[in-house]
Formats: sequence, structure tokens, C-alpha cells
Amino acid sequence: GESVGLHLPTLSVQEGDNSIINCAYSNSASDYFIWYKQESGKGPQFIIDIRSNMDKRQGQRVTVLLNKTVKHLSLQIAATQPGDSAVYFCAENGSSNTGKLIFGQGTTLQVKP
Amino acid sequence: NAGVTQTPKFRILKIGQSMTLQCTQDMNHNYMYWYRQDPGMGLKLIYYSVGAGITDKGEVPNGYNVSRSTTEDFPLRLELAAPSQTSVYFCASSSAGRSSGNTIYFGEGSWLTVV
Repeated sequence: GESVGLHLPTLSVQEGDNSIINCAYSNSASDYFIWYKQESGKGPQFIIDIRSNMDKRQGQRVTVLLNKTVKHLSLQIAATQPGDSAVYFCAENGSSNTGKLIFGQGTTLQVKP
Repeated sequence: NAGVTQTPKFRILKIGQSMTLQCTQDMNHNYMYWYRQDPGMGLKLIYYSVGAGITDKGEVPNGYNVSRSTTEDFPLRLELAAPSQTSVYFCASSSAGRSSGNTIYFGEGSWLTVV
């Protein structure tokens, strides 16, 4: 079956350092991946996405890397700030044509001042 | 645009009661979804809809029903509430499906407790 997994449940980093959150997926047919940020008591918020024809995409302070060979996805956050503290989910679109997403369990990012 | 709006934000139900979670979006999105999120877990798809009049089951549809009479609205119905349905429910929408890789936008969530 399809599954998306995050390697670590909690990541603790010092303010100003770079953060790397990893994710593994199992469905080779997935061609679209998204990272979401979820703050306490709120819905998931879109951060960045990447299609399978790319291996890297950059946004503001965030970079997503995709390695299709090993089915691995990572989110890099530069100069991590206290406001980055949240749970981060990766999601893939699997083999569906309907846009529904398969979510991983989530990694909690804690930023220490 | 308000985006995706869900109501109520919080609700406590007794076992066996019924209720409807309301969801509306003002982005003219064809695709709408209902997910549930249990504590410390990712989101699991309950039902989805690719357009008005069309609904399909997701991963965990048992105990729920949906309807999609308009593009804007996608209510989720719990007929006989059970403690296992205690969760946070998220409604979401997107403009298109997989081929376009369009972003799915989420509502703020509805916290449901069944006692």
C-alpha cells in the first residue's frame, strides 16, 4: 500500500541554525509532493511543493529536495526562527487522479532561542 | 476570499447523536475533501468530491456521509457518533486533481469530542 513516513518525530534546533526535515514515500507513481506546516490549533498551511520532474525547488527560506531514486523528500529551512516551530507534514498525491493527498505522520520542529 | 470555512470550531457529542460539520469554500474549487486527524498523527482522508453531485470514499469513510449539492458546500454528516470519531476534522479544497498538481487549501479545523 501507499505510505508516507517521516524519519523523526521531533527535531530540535537552535534559532538561526538551518533545519532539515526528512520524509520517505513508497509510491513510485507519485508525481507531486507538498510540504505543509501546522501550528497548534490550526489547519495545515501550504509551504512549498515540487513535481517529480524536478529535484529541487526553492522558496523564501525554504528548499525542498526530491530524490526519486530512493523515494526521499526533504525540507530545508534556512535561519530557523521561533515562528517556524510547528509540526511539518509531507504529502504525496499517490496514484490518484483526484488530487487527494497521502500524509505522513508529521515532524515536530522545536526552535530553541 | 475567505478560503475554506468550517463550522463549528468545537463540538461535544454524546454517543449515538448525529451532527453535520459544515464546509464552504469561495475559491470556486471543484475538488473538496474531508480529512480527520487523530492526536500526533497525520491526516486521513474520509471522503472527497471532484465536483457537484459527485462524491467518493477515502481511506476511512465508515460512520460518515457527505453530499455535494453545490460547488461551494461539502457537509460531513456523522449519523451515530462513536468515541472513535473523536478527532479533529479538516475540510479542504483544490482547483484540480493530480494532473495539475494544484495545491490543496485547508480550513481551520473542527474539534469533535464524542462522550
